[in-house]
Amino acid sequence: EDQVTQSPEALRLQEGESSSLNCSYTVSGLRGLFWYRQDPGKGPEFLFTLYSAGEEKEKERLKATLTKKESFLHITAPKPEDSATYLCAVPSAAGKSTFGDGTTLTVKP
Amino acid sequence: NAGVTQTPKFQVLKTGQSMTLQCAQDMNHNSMYWYRQDPGMGLRLIYYSASEGTTDKGEVPNGYNVSRLNKREFSLRLESAAPSQTSVYFCASTRQVPNTGELFFGEGSRLTVL
Repeated sequence: EDQVTQSPEALRLQEGESSSLNCSYTVSGLRGLFWYRQDPGKGPEFLFTLYSAGEEKEKERLKATLTKKESFLHITAPKPEDSATYLCAVPSAAGKSTFGDGTTLTVKP
Repeated sequence: NAGVTQTPKFQVLKTGQSMTLQCAQDMNHNSMYWYRQDPGMGLRLIYYSASEGTTDKGEVPNGYNVSRLNKREFSLRLESAAPSQTSVYFCASTRQVPNTGELFFGEGSRLTVL
Protein backbone atom coordinates (compact mmCIF):
# COMPACT_ATOMS: atom_id res chain seq x y z
CA GLU A 1 0.00 0.00 0.00
CA ASP A 2 1.33 3.42 -1.00
CA GLN A 3 2.04 5.82 1.86
CA VAL A 4 2.76 9.55 1.85
CA THR A 5 3.83 11.54 4.91
CA GLN A 6 4.26 15.30 4.95
CA SER A 7 6.10 17.41 7.49
CA PRO A 8 5.80 19.70 9.23
CA GLU A 9 2.05 19.86 9.71
CA ALA A 10 2.20 23.65 9.93
CA LEU A 11 4.93 26.17 9.18
CA ARG A 12 4.94 29.85 10.05
CA LEU A 13 7.50 32.06 8.32
CA GLN A 14 8.29 35.73 8.18
CA GLU A 15 8.19 37.29 4.75
CA GLY A 16 11.55 36.63 3.10
CA GLU A 17 12.45 33.71 5.39
CA SER A 18 13.24 30.72 3.17
CA SER A 19 12.40 27.16 4.21
CA SER A 20 11.49 23.68 2.95
CA LEU A 21 8.52 21.34 3.17
CA ASN A 22 9.05 17.58 3.18
CA CYS A 23 7.10 14.76 1.54
CA SER A 24 8.24 11.20 2.31
CA TYR A 25 6.76 8.37 0.28
CA THR A 26 6.65 4.59 0.14
CA VAL A 27 5.42 3.14 -3.13
CA SER A 28 5.78 -0.15 -4.99
CA GLY A 29 6.91 1.67 -8.11
CA LEU A 30 7.14 5.43 -8.52
CA ARG A 31 4.93 6.73 -11.33
CA GLY A 32 5.45 10.34 -10.44
CA LEU A 33 5.11 12.63 -7.47
CA PHE A 34 2.77 15.59 -7.60
CA TRP A 35 2.66 18.81 -5.62
CA TYR A 36 -0.55 20.79 -5.23
CA ARG A 37 -1.43 24.09 -3.59
CA GLN A 38 -4.77 24.49 -1.80
CA ASP A 39 -6.16 27.87 -0.74
CA PRO A 40 -8.84 28.02 1.99
CA GLY A 41 -12.27 27.13 0.62
CA LYS A 42 -10.86 26.02 -2.75
CA GLY A 43 -9.91 22.79 -4.44
CA PRO A 44 -6.24 21.79 -4.79
CA GLU A 45 -4.39 23.29 -7.74
CA PHE A 46 -1.60 21.46 -9.53
CA LEU A 47 1.94 22.83 -9.14
CA PHE A 48 4.56 20.27 -10.23
CA THR A 49 5.15 16.72 -11.37
CA LEU A 50 8.45 14.95 -10.68
CA TYR A 51 9.17 11.56 -12.22
CA SER A 52 12.70 10.53 -11.31
CA ALA A 53 15.26 11.00 -8.55
CA GLY A 54 17.38 14.08 -9.13
CA GLU A 55 14.68 15.90 -11.05
CA GLU A 56 13.91 19.52 -10.13
CA LYS A 57 11.10 21.86 -11.16
CA GLU A 58 10.76 25.58 -10.44
CA LYS A 59 7.92 28.07 -10.46
CA GLU A 60 8.45 31.58 -9.16
CA ARG A 61 9.61 31.23 -5.53
CA LEU A 62 8.96 27.48 -5.40
CA LYS A 63 11.35 24.68 -6.30
CA ALA A 64 10.48 20.99 -6.01
CA THR A 65 13.12 18.28 -5.81
CA LEU A 66 12.92 14.49 -5.71
CA THR A 67 15.03 11.71 -4.20
CA LYS A 68 14.28 7.98 -4.05
CA LYS A 69 12.51 8.35 -0.72
CA GLU A 70 11.28 11.93 -0.46
CA SER A 71 10.53 15.21 -2.14
CA PHE A 72 11.16 18.72 -0.93
CA LEU A 73 9.32 21.90 -1.77
CA HIS A 74 11.74 24.75 -1.23
CA ILE A 75 10.29 28.22 -0.76
CA THR A 76 12.72 31.06 -1.36
CA ALA A 77 11.97 34.51 0.07
CA PRO A 78 8.26 33.76 0.55
CA LYS A 79 5.56 36.40 0.38
CA PRO A 80 2.21 36.47 2.22
CA GLU A 81 0.46 35.34 -0.96
CA ASP A 82 2.38 32.04 -0.73
CA SER A 83 0.30 31.19 2.36
CA ALA A 84 -1.67 28.03 1.58
CA THR A 85 -1.75 24.31 2.27
CA TYR A 86 0.69 22.34 0.13
CA LEU A 87 -0.18 18.74 -0.68
CA CYS A 88 1.90 16.01 -2.26
CA ALA A 89 0.52 12.87 -3.89
CA VAL A 90 1.65 9.71 -5.65
CA PRO A 91 -0.43 7.90 -8.29
CA SER A 92 -0.80 4.12 -8.38
CA ALA A 93 -1.03 1.79 -11.36
CA ALA A 94 -4.68 1.21 -10.48
CA GLY A 95 -5.49 4.81 -11.32
CA LYS A 96 -5.70 6.16 -7.79
CA SER A 97 -3.69 8.86 -6.06
CA THR A 98 -2.58 8.75 -2.42
CA PHE A 99 -2.27 12.17 -0.79
CA GLY A 100 -0.33 13.33 2.22
CA ASP A 101 -2.14 15.31 4.92
CA GLY A 102 -0.52 18.54 3.77
CA THR A 103 1.60 21.31 5.24
CA THR A 104 -0.16 24.57 6.05
CA LEU A 105 2.18 27.46 5.36
CA THR A 106 1.58 30.90 6.84
CA VAL A 107 3.81 33.77 5.76
CA LYS A 108 3.61 36.88 7.92
CA PRO A 109 4.44 40.31 6.45
CA ASN B 1 -13.01 27.80 -19.14
CA ALA B 2 -15.13 25.99 -16.54
CA GLY B 3 -12.88 22.95 -15.82
CA VAL B 4 -14.51 20.82 -13.12
CA THR B 5 -17.89 22.03 -11.84
CA GLN B 6 -19.51 20.69 -8.68
CA THR B 7 -23.02 21.27 -7.39
CA PRO B 8 -24.24 22.08 -4.84
CA LYS B 9 -21.51 24.11 -3.12
CA PHE B 10 -23.19 23.85 0.29
CA GLN B 11 -25.77 21.42 1.68
CA VAL B 12 -27.22 20.68 5.10
CA LEU B 13 -28.95 17.33 5.60
CA LYS B 14 -30.65 15.56 8.46
CA THR B 15 -29.52 12.07 9.42
CA GLY B 16 -31.14 9.52 7.11
CA GLN B 17 -31.81 11.89 4.22
CA SER B 18 -30.40 11.17 0.79
CA MET B 19 -28.76 13.42 -1.74
CA THR B 20 -26.62 13.41 -4.87
CA LEU B 21 -23.54 15.51 -5.52
CA GLN B 22 -23.07 16.35 -9.17
CA CYS B 23 -19.78 16.78 -11.01
CA ALA B 24 -19.10 17.69 -14.62
CA GLN B 25 -15.85 18.35 -16.48
CA ASP B 26 -15.44 19.97 -19.87
CA MET B 27 -11.82 18.95 -20.54
CA ASN B 28 -12.59 15.63 -22.29
CA HIS B 29 -10.85 13.76 -19.48
CA ASN B 30 -11.13 10.00 -19.20
CA SER B 31 -10.81 9.50 -15.43
CA MET B 32 -12.89 11.06 -12.68
CA TYR B 33 -12.66 10.84 -8.89
CA TRP B 34 -14.53 11.68 -5.71
CA TYR B 35 -12.50 12.58 -2.62
CA ARG B 36 -13.52 13.71 0.84
CA GLN B 37 -11.39 16.03 2.94
CA ASP B 38 -11.66 16.17 6.71
CA PRO B 39 -9.58 18.35 9.04
CA GLY B 40 -6.23 16.70 9.74
CA MET B 41 -6.94 13.73 7.48
CA GLY B 42 -6.04 14.98 4.04
CA LEU B 43 -7.83 13.81 0.91
CA ARG B 44 -9.28 10.31 0.93
CA LEU B 45 -10.55 8.61 -2.21
CA ILE B 46 -14.18 7.47 -2.09
CA TYR B 47 -14.77 6.16 -5.62
CA TYR B 48 -13.24 6.63 -9.00
CA SER B 49 -14.01 5.99 -12.64
CA ALA B 50 -10.96 5.18 -14.73
CA SER B 51 -12.95 5.51 -17.93
CA GLU B 52 -16.54 5.88 -19.10
CA GLY B 53 -18.53 2.81 -18.11
CA THR B 54 -16.33 1.74 -15.19
CA THR B 55 -16.34 2.59 -11.49
CA ASP B 56 -14.22 1.28 -8.61
CA LYS B 57 -14.06 1.65 -4.87
CA GLY B 58 -11.44 3.80 -3.25
CA GLU B 59 -10.26 3.96 0.33
CA VAL B 60 -13.56 4.96 2.02
CA PRO B 61 -16.54 3.80 -0.13
CA ASN B 62 -18.98 2.72 2.60
CA GLY B 63 -22.21 4.73 2.59
CA TYR B 64 -21.73 6.04 -0.94
CA ASN B 65 -22.67 5.10 -4.49
CA VAL B 66 -21.52 6.60 -7.77
CA SER B 67 -22.68 6.82 -11.36
CA ARG B 68 -20.56 7.67 -14.37
CA LEU B 69 -23.39 9.08 -16.43
CA ASN B 70 -21.27 9.81 -19.50
CA LYS B 71 -17.71 10.93 -20.19
CA ARG B 72 -18.38 14.39 -18.71
CA GLU B 73 -20.40 13.59 -15.59
CA PHE B 74 -19.73 11.61 -12.41
CA SER B 75 -22.19 11.78 -9.52
CA LEU B 76 -21.87 10.73 -5.87
CA ARG B 77 -24.93 9.61 -3.93
CA LEU B 78 -25.48 9.36 -0.20
CA GLU B 79 -28.46 7.03 0.30
CA SER B 80 -28.88 7.56 4.05
CA ALA B 81 -26.69 10.36 5.34
CA ALA B 82 -24.89 10.02 8.68
CA PRO B 83 -23.10 12.68 10.77
CA SER B 84 -19.80 10.92 9.98
CA GLN B 85 -20.32 11.98 6.36
CA THR B 86 -20.02 15.65 7.28
CA SER B 87 -17.09 16.71 5.14
CA VAL B 88 -15.90 18.65 2.12
CA TYR B 89 -16.25 16.63 -1.07
CA PHE B 90 -14.04 17.21 -4.08
CA CYS B 91 -14.49 15.92 -7.58
CA ALA B 92 -11.39 15.63 -9.77
CA SER B 93 -10.51 14.51 -13.26
CA THR B 94 -7.46 13.61 -15.29
CA ARG B 95 -6.81 12.81 -18.92
CA GLN B 96 -4.57 9.81 -18.53
CA VAL B 97 -5.65 6.22 -17.96
CA PRO B 98 -4.24 4.86 -15.74
CA ASN B 99 -3.79 7.98 -13.70
CA THR B 100 -0.26 9.20 -14.05
CA GLY B 101 -1.24 12.75 -14.81
CA GLU B 102 -2.13 15.68 -12.65
CA LEU B 103 -5.60 15.96 -11.18
CA PHE B 104 -7.90 18.90 -11.84
CA PHE B 105 -10.22 19.62 -8.92
CA GLY B 106 -13.56 21.30 -8.52
CA GLU B 107 -14.15 23.93 -5.85
CA GLY B 108 -15.71 21.46 -3.43
CA SER B 109 -19.13 20.70 -1.94
CA ARG B 110 -19.47 21.36 1.77
CA LEU B 111 -21.88 18.91 3.37
CA THR B 112 -23.16 19.02 6.94
CA VAL B 113 -25.23 16.15 8.31
CA LEU B 114 -27.13 16.95 11.50
